[in-house]
Amino acid sequence: GAVVSQHPSRVICKSGTSVKIECRSLDFQATTMFWYRQFPKQSLMLMATSNEGSKATYEQGVEKDKFLINHASLTLSTLTVTSAHPEDSSFYICSAIIEGYYNEQFFGPGTRLTVL
Amino acid sequence: QKEVEQNSGPLSVPEGAIASLNCTYSDRGSQSFFWYRQYSGKSPELIMSIYSNGDKEDGRFTAQLNKASQYVSLLIRDSQPSDSATYLCAVMTSSGGSNYKLTFGKGTLLTVNP
Repeated sequence: GAVVSQHPSRVICKSGTSVKIECRSLDFQATTMFWYRQFPKQSLMLMATSNEGSKATYEQGVEKDKFLINHASLTLSTLTVTSAHPEDSSFYICSAIIEGYYNEQFFGPGTRLTVL
Repeated sequence: QKEVEQNSGPLSVPEGAIASLNCTYSDRGSQSFFWYRQYSGKSPELIMSIYSNGDKEDGRFTAQLNKASQYVSLLIRDSQPSDSATYLCAVMTSSGGSNYKLTFGKGTLLTVNP
């Protein structure tokens, strides 16, 4: 199956700092990647759709200036949480699509962010 | 708003039994349906996809789709303790134009007791 990696797997930071999370498709090209957030005991909530070479599409209620997404290549998308606060502490998961493969999404292992 | 509803858990079954997980969706135009398994603290893992009405079997897993009833189910035969996880139903819905996104249900926590 398709492999998606994320880095880092876990990060702890102080309030007010910015954190960058990388999502890579290892054995395929992904023109579209997705970023999700999952709070404890809740389901995955889509934050934004990341398209290679164009601006990301954000879901309603997600601040695009706070969650910066860059999809600079066909194998890499980054999510930067700017000026992180404790309420941003969550499990951030990316996924990627193999185009034409019935749009099945393959998920990365996730990044657990803790903001102190 | 396009919704995906799953039967509330938790669901507890004895080892060797059949576990039945259910899901309904609101977007009648949806064409792609998925079941993901998520262990605690881990990201979701795709276990089944189904696109046409009827049954689809893969090992101990069977997915069933009924588009007229807007209903998707997952059966796990010969349940094992290692099947204990949260099962997420996901439906591919249109987000406008040629763009699609996955909408997830809240998940059903399954516990298989030895």
